[in-house]
Amino acid sequence: NAGVTQTPKFRILKIGQSMTLQCTQDMNHNYMYWYRQDPGMGLKLIYYSVGAGITDKGEVPNGYNVSRSTTEDFPLRLELAAPSQTSVYFCASSWGGKQETQYFGPGTRLLVL
Amino acid sequence: GIQVEQSPPDLILQEGANSTLRCNFSDSVNNLQWFHQNPWGQLINLFYIPSGTKQNGRLSATTVATERYSLLYISSSQTTDSGVYFCAVERGGRGSTLGRLYFGRGTQLTVWP
Repeated sequence: NAGVTQTPKFRILKIGQSMTLQCTQDMNHNYMYWYRQDPGMGLKLIYYSVGAGITDKGEVPNGYNVSRSTTEDFPLRLELAAPSQTSVYFCASSWGGKQETQYFGPGTRLLVL
Repeated sequence: GIQVEQSPPDLILQEGANSTLRCNFSDSVNNLQWFHQNPWGQLINLFYIPSGTKQNGRLSATTVATERYSLLYISSSQTTDSGVYFCAVERGGRGSTLGRLYFGRGTQLTVWP
């Protein structure tokens, strides 16, 4: 199993541009999550999904959108990039939701200039 | 949300030394995980430990849920232990929120040869 994979690894965006961060897991997990990590901080939850077609907001959802059309994929969309979205983005998955170990992808480093 | 505080924020050790990292949380939890973020940014799950004690090689963890803290012990530290250690919790009871983890700010560990 590859686990949780993310693309791209690194990206530079100009203010106002849009992009999609890709996340795929091959563990047949139902739950998937997007977190962001700012320098010197812990991770904060952006959005999560409990299954295909079902998504919900986390702590810091503003400026982002998600979709979950398949069990495997959970892309994160930035529509109008802002410098405040400069961060490292992590995707994670777990089989269940509550009381389950979450497994993390390698992260996408995003710089907005 | 739930507050998660980790201490110390920074720790510098010589190889072979032992250390204890602490995580305090402000509410009841039904999920607590310890992660190691290596210098390349990868998050590795160390323990899923909402209560009790677990050991894995040189690492062990104890969570005392009734007193709202968890400890991570690293014995005979090695240079490869360097990185940031995060504690993450999911609020329990009626406040439980489907696997939403709240992270502390981490302990930056540096182990010198």
